[in-house]
Amino acid sequence: QKEVEQNSGPLSVPEGAIASLNCTYSDRGSQSFFWYRQYSGKSPELIMSIYSNGDKEDGRFTAQLNKASQYVSLLIRDSQPSDSATYLCAVNRKIYNQGGKLIFGQGTELSVKP
Amino acid sequence: SQTIHQWPATLVQPVGSPLSLECTVEGTSNPNLYWYRQAAGRGLQLLFYSVGIGQISSEVPQNLSASRPQDRQFILSSKKLLLSDSGFYLCAWSSRLVGHNEQFFGPGTRLTVL
Repeated sequence: QKEVEQNSGPLSVPEGAIASLNCTYSDRGSQSFFWYRQYSGKSPELIMSIYSNGDKEDGRFTAQLNKASQYVSLLIRDSQPSDSATYLCAVNRKIYNQGGKLIFGQGTELSVKP
Repeated sequence: SQTIHQWPATLVQPVGSPLSLECTVEGTSNPNLYWYRQAAGRGLQLLFYSVGIGQISSEVPQNLSASRPQDRQFILSSKKLLLSDSGFYLCAWSSRLVGHNEQFFGPGTRLTVL
């Protein structure tokens, strides 16, 4: 089992719809979770961080965390063609006194059709 | 605000040639620094991380090495490149003051080994 798993996609949604991206992780001790957006040929950009169970909203983005189910998701409301990108889920593996290492999923490719 | 620079942006090198990629961070002190590689269509692979000057941890044993000669400078090197070293090389930083390990990526270097 991979430490962080995502559906590779592609996930295709029409413009204006809600895109739902899912991620599961294996380390029950994980405390910090991140979503990155990566446009083709560009570097990953941090778009959401979440540390507590529940929902965290930022504009059109909502991150959801359920530690009991070891599940984190990203919802994009009112999807736009400019949201078309690969979305990477990352989970922090704590290293004593050193912050930690991010473990990345393989990414989900999202395509928003006009 | 913090800025991370990487150069060169693209590089084409013959097999067996040496490599030196540089990363610098501005606007922060004592950052954690990371080198990742992303092969075409693949996820992010952590290569090295550093929590301070001269302190390097290696994740993947291979023909690459890293050095941190100054607080905000991180260098990735190789004495002899292999075809399998081709990929997108990304430098990232995170704050040592904040425990969640939010990482921010530089623009990347696209390396092609022929």
